[in-house]
Amino acid sequence: DAKTTQPPSMDCAEGRAANLPCNHSTISGNEYVYWYRQIHSQGPQYIIHGLKNNETNEMASLIITEDRKSSTLILPHATLRDTAVYYCIASRASGTYKYIFGTGTRLKVLA
Amino acid sequence: NAGVTQTPKFQVLKTGQSMTLQCAQDMNHNSMYWYRQDPGMGLRLIYYSASEGTTDKGEVPNGYNVSRLNKREFSLRLESAAPSQTSVYFCASSYDIQGASTEAFFGQGTRLTVV
Repeated sequence: DAKTTQPPSMDCAEGRAANLPCNHSTISGNEYVYWYRQIHSQGPQYIIHGLKNNETNEMASLIITEDRKSSTLILPHATLRDTAVYYCIASRASGTYKYIFGTGTRLKVLA
Repeated sequence: NAGVTQTPKFQVLKTGQSMTLQCAQDMNHNSMYWYRQDPGMGLRLIYYSASEGTTDKGEVPNGYNVSRLNKREFSLRLESAAPSQTSVYFCASSYDIQGASTEAFFGQGTRLTVV
């Protein structure tokens, strides 16, 4: 699985868009980009994933660059409840998925 | 649905004691995982199981054993607990099919302290 690099922390004003970057320059063609978040010390929660195309769901949008070496998770209207640690994971599409978590980005949404 | 259930939620052990952490999922998932998370750190994969009867080592397997009892259950055993194993342990499961991606569901964690 490719290694991912994320900034350790970010702040965002409540109601504004939060843009969380992730670098995965060694990603291979069959590896997906996943985003999870962890609120306090709860179990991580799935947010979104993608392979090549940009993706959107009710929680967030995922923008993957054309060369797939980086991606951005967008929370369109951040709320205080979005304060969490966000993890970007590159994991291959095979019979076994081994989610290797890095240290993530600690997002703090400010009132 | 209960999702992924871990027991116990909290445990204090003395150094050298043994214990088994239990994990069960009711989503008919084939893959299951055990992670540990030390304070202020990200999750590290201990072991995973792609299907009933198979297990593989992750990043930090030393000091642990696992059993995939059946499709639903995946247990983690500490044979001789050490203070370095003080951590929060998370179990997860996912449904994996060849060539496709799936999301993982996590339990709420077992907070283990070894004194």
